[in-house]
Amino acid sequence: DVQLLESGGGLVQPGGSLRLSCGVSGFAFSGYAMSWVRQAPGRGLEWVSSIGGFDDSTHYIDSVKGRFTISRDTSKNTLYLQMNSLRVEDTAIYYCARSTFGDYDVEYWGRGTLVTVSS
Amino acid sequence: QFELTQSPSASASLGASVKITCTVGSGHSNYDIAWHQQQPGKGPRYLMNLKYDGRHRRGDGIPDRFSGSSSGSERYLTISSLQSEDEADYYCQTWATGIQVFGGGTRLTVL
Repeated sequence: DVQLLESGGGLVQPGGSLRLSCGVSGFAFSGYAMSWVRQAPGRGLEWVSSIGGFDDSTHYIDSVKGRFTISRDTSKNTLYLQMNSLRVEDTAIYYCARSTFGDYDVEYWGRGTLVTVSS
Repeated sequence: QFELTQSPSASASLGASVKITCTVGSGHSNYDIAWHQQQPGKGPRYLMNLKYDGRHRRGDGIPDRFSGSSSGSERYLTISSLQSEDEADYYCQTWATGIQVFGGGTRLTVL
């Protein structure tokens, strides 16, 4: 079974940093595009960042460019999101997501990890 | 524009059918989408991939009460034989070369 398990969320002050991790199992990690999608309290889903399958190309929503970095470590079967210069508006549940093979529609979701940016 | 538009709310009676609409932005009528369900207090769940020509493929374990169809820039999710657990938020998603967009979501109320 495909499993995605996020960790690393928590409370951080504005301007601070956090690194989210997503441990994966049940599939060939390197071959699939992976994404981070967030949901602010009471709001809808917002795509944040993706990393391509095989080529590891990276993509970001404009509001996080230059602040967030997505990466993967295939030896550890783990996806990361390094978040720097955090803002209050980054407060959200962050979901790790795996796409279908060869495309970017999200097929599997993790349970999410809460990031709260507040002073 | 690369965007998806959904009506904020929909409602239908228990046992009836409902059709939820997602409109793809102009110039993108050939884009495929995915539908996701988010029940209250839970994370999202993948329902299906829906092609621009109406072909669709449901995710693992998704019952055939959930179906998809397309017409021009419109993408539809039809839920038949509505059950109480279908009361949820429904999101459409599209993508292009790694960039992804979600619609604003439709909250379905089962009466």
